[in-house]
Amino acid sequence: DAGVTQSPTHLIKTRGQQVTLRCSPKSGHDTVSWYQQALGQGPQFIFQYYEEEERQRGNFPDRFSGHQFPNYSSELNVNALLLGDSALYLCASSIREYAWETQYFGPGTRLLVL
Amino acid sequence: DQQVKQNSPSLSVQEGRISILNCDYTNSMFDYFLWYKKYPAEGPTFLISISSIKDKNEDGRFTVFLNKSAKHLSLHIVPSQPGDSAVYFCAASVERIKLIFGTGTLLAVQP
Repeated sequence: DAGVTQSPTHLIKTRGQQVTLRCSPKSGHDTVSWYQQALGQGPQFIFQYYEEEERQRGNFPDRFSGHQFPNYSSELNVNALLLGDSALYLCASSIREYAWETQYFGPGTRLLVL
Repeated sequence: DQQVKQNSPSLSVQEGRISILNCDYTNSMFDYFLWYKKYPAEGPTFLISISSIKDKNEDGRFTVFLNKSAKHLSLHIVPSQPGDSAVYFCAASVERIKLIFGTGTLLAVQP
């Protein structure tokens, strides 16, 4: 049983570009959350998707958007990249909204913005 | 504005002794708390949780204590094992919405 998978593992972009990160949830999970983890910091909640809708959102600008597909996989899109967007982006899946105990994280995508 | 703080970036403990990891929070509305463990090159994994209606929750070697008046949370690991060496994050939420993580504490358990 594969856990949460994320692609790509690493990515280098330049300021102003756009990026799309992908996530496949653990089998049996229908909810996907995205986090940004800057160096030396804890994960910061970006948003959560359930039933293909954004259900919760953290304090991130509209440049950060997402999508959930009928197979529960998800994408995170970041437009107009800034240097400060350089971070590890973690995807986590769970069996339903708010079920943080069942949350299972992927290994992350490391994004570097130059 | 860091609402969840882990003031000790690192902790070193001898195998077999107790590890105590601390977490402070500022938002009195937080009513649900969790601890996650993270190994290098892996995502965090859930360890233990506690709701604000309790002051203690135990699961095997892991016990979480909640002191609401002090806005303080602690994780006790007894006895500590080398495999417990990892980064530990505490996290908090209001009514299970918008989980907020601390900055993490690196625990090193020496054999």
